[in-house]
Amino acid sequence: AQTVTQSQPEMSVQEAETVTLSCTYDTSESNYYLFWYKQPPSRQMILVIRQEAYKQQNATENRFSVNFQKAAKSFSLKISDSQLGDTAMYFCAFTATQGGSEKLVFGKGTKLTVNP
Amino acid sequence: DVKVTQSSRYLVKRTGEKVFLECVQDMDHENMFWYRQDPGLGLRLIYFSYDVKMKEKGDIPEGYSVSREKKERFSLILESASTNQTSMYLCASSSSGVRTGELFFGEGSRLTVL
Repeated sequence: AQTVTQSQPEMSVQEAETVTLSCTYDTSESNYYLFWYKQPPSRQMILVIRQEAYKQQNATENRFSVNFQKAAKSFSLKISDSQLGDTAMYFCAFTATQGGSEKLVFGKGTKLTVNP
Repeated sequence: DVKVTQSSRYLVKRTGEKVFLECVQDMDHENMFWYRQDPGLGLRLIYFSYDVKMKEKGDIPEGYSVSREKKERFSLILESASTNQTSMYLCASSSSGVRTGELFFGEGSRLTVL
């Protein structure tokens, strides 16, 4: 089965500190993409960061970076210098092939609260 | 900026009613998706479409159907709403396959079935 596991339903962090959100996934495919999406309260979901599985270098977008461990099927998100605007649900996702078509498989999400 | 518009933010319907959820995107994207979001369950794919008049079932298509008569519009239909379809529904679009193109989401439609 192609699944995503986010083991931390909720997390909190103090403003300006660093926090890491965990994600593991299960797939038998060798070529796929991984994503972290952010859903702020009552707002649209947006893409935070994307990683191509065949690239060993970890992706970075400003204060957001990933630790991609392909063999362990782990894809954690690190948020540095946390800001109040980072408060949101965070979803880990990866591409999976189903019946010849590709789709995104999402985890159940981690609710992150940044405290002042 | 890409804009994905869902016609209704909040709906309240009665059991057995036929419900239409409309989604329109303004960036000429080929691909459109309907997800259902429930607390503790994350996002689950209901249906998706890679072209006009084309549709494919996702993980939880039972009780739903879709329509894509025009490229910019993707409708989700609940033929006979039931209480277990009370949920947040998210529409998304992308310009290319999911692996390379990011998904652009609408604000969501929160449906309550009484």
